[in-house]
Amino acid sequence: GDSVTQTEGPVTVSESESLIINCTYSATSIAYPNLFWYVRYPGEGLQLLLKVITAGQKGSSRGFEATYNKETTSFHLQKASVQESDSAVYYCALGAHNYAQGLTFGLGTRVSVFP
Amino acid sequence: AQTIHQWPVAEIKAVGSPLSLGCTIKGKSSPNLYWYWQATGGTLQQLFYSITVGQVESVVQLNLSASRPKDDQFILSTEKLLLSHSGFYLCAWSLGQLNQDTQYFGPGTRLLVL
Repeated sequence: GDSVTQTEGPVTVSESESLIINCTYSATSIAYPNLFWYVRYPGEGLQLLLKVITAGQKGSSRGFEATYNKETTSFHLQKASVQESDSAVYYCALGAHNYAQGLTFGLGTRVSVFP
Repeated sequence: AQTIHQWPVAEIKAVGSPLSLGCTIKGKSSPNLYWYWQATGGTLQQLFYSITVGQVESVVQLNLSASRPKDDQFILSTEKLLLSHSGFYLCAWSLGQLNQDTQYFGPGTRLLVL
């Protein structure tokens, strides 16, 4: 089946430093899955951070970027300069273009940003 | 704007007792609906999906059942809880079209079975 592997947390980083969360996927049900990053801030629900549906393209939101790399089957999340408000749990996910199938999630990476 | 509400926020239940978790979506007609479950330290795992009222498909067997009695309502239940049912339950919706697999999640229900 499909699977997603991401950086094991927790990850601790100082404010204004860069952050990268690695995500690799294995898609057996579909050749070109849709790729997602979701985020859960403390006390809040899971929300979509960004989505990319075309291999080779980059998605961005709130200063975060992720590029869909079909060759390396990766979708790493990066931010050049984090803020304390970026402290959250980040989930990489894969979608098979099938609204009935649901999303396949990674385990999540807890990020703590310290001032 | 669409809103998704889950109830209760949290529950502590005894093994063998019944359970009912609810989810309502407002502002979107005929959405696809989903239940996910996350055990402590585990990943989010899809349990059920429904594309229309009265129709629910099971994805993972966990001795749970789901029903969709109304277009905007999705219920997760069991008559006998197990310790392994503890975790975090999330309801989600998506558009009812092919290639629209972006899902939008509710705030979740935290369940502890003792």
